Amino acid sequence: EDQVTQSPEALRLQEGESSSLNCSYTVSGLRGLFWYRQDPGKGPEFLFTLYSAGEEKEKERLKATLTKKESFLHITAPKPEDSATYLCAVHFVGGGKLIFGQGTELSVKP
Amino acid sequence: GAVVSQHPSRVICKSGTSVKIECRSLDFQATTMFWYRQFPKKSLMLMATSNEGSKATYEQGVEKDKFLINHASLTLSTLTVTSAHPEDSSFYICSARLGGGLSSYNEQFFGPGTRLTVL
Repeated sequence: EDQVTQSPEALRLQEGESSSLNCSYTVSGLRGLFWYRQDPGKGPEFLFTLYSAGEEKEKERLKATLTKKESFLHITAPKPEDSATYLCAVHFVGGGKLIFGQGTELSVKP
Repeated sequence: GAVVSQHPSRVICKSGTSVKIECRSLDFQATTMFWYRQFPKKSLMLMATSNEGSKATYEQGVEKDKFLINHASLTLSTLTVTSAHPEDSSFYICSARLGGGLSSYNEQFFGPGTRLTVL
């Protein structure tokens, strides 16, 4: 069964304390893995798309990486404004829809 | 680019009435749009896939007669919640896919969501 699992469910960091969020997936064939940021009461905001193992993408303090089984979202020296829920989603071969993980709620304290 | 809007952002209605939510892709054409429902502290639950010019495809367990979807143009999809009840209260989010068909670009861009409260 195609599945996407994110960990941890919640992560509390101090400002400047770097860490990583994990997204592991089991799908029959990956067409793309997506990272989104969602603030409370708002729709998800697109961050990255990764298509193949070994691919990396960066945006400000965020860096996303992809292997054949999982993806990491690395957050370097986070700031309080990085606090949000980060969602991982997978688009698989033969499917036209995204499968979402449960999300990681990140809180960064000053 | 790739902006998706939703209207209204918030709606309160009485039980038994119908509510229409609009989803528009503002700067691109979307042959495929998606409708999601999100409960507090939960991830997105796909309700249906909306294809321009054809019938929507509903996920298992979603009542198609209750949640009517129309994708009238390449930039507009609507979700109508018919005979709404308090249990339909939720956060509804639409998305539009940038690519279509055999395109390798499959990013979905999301609207800001609509908070529906049924009294």
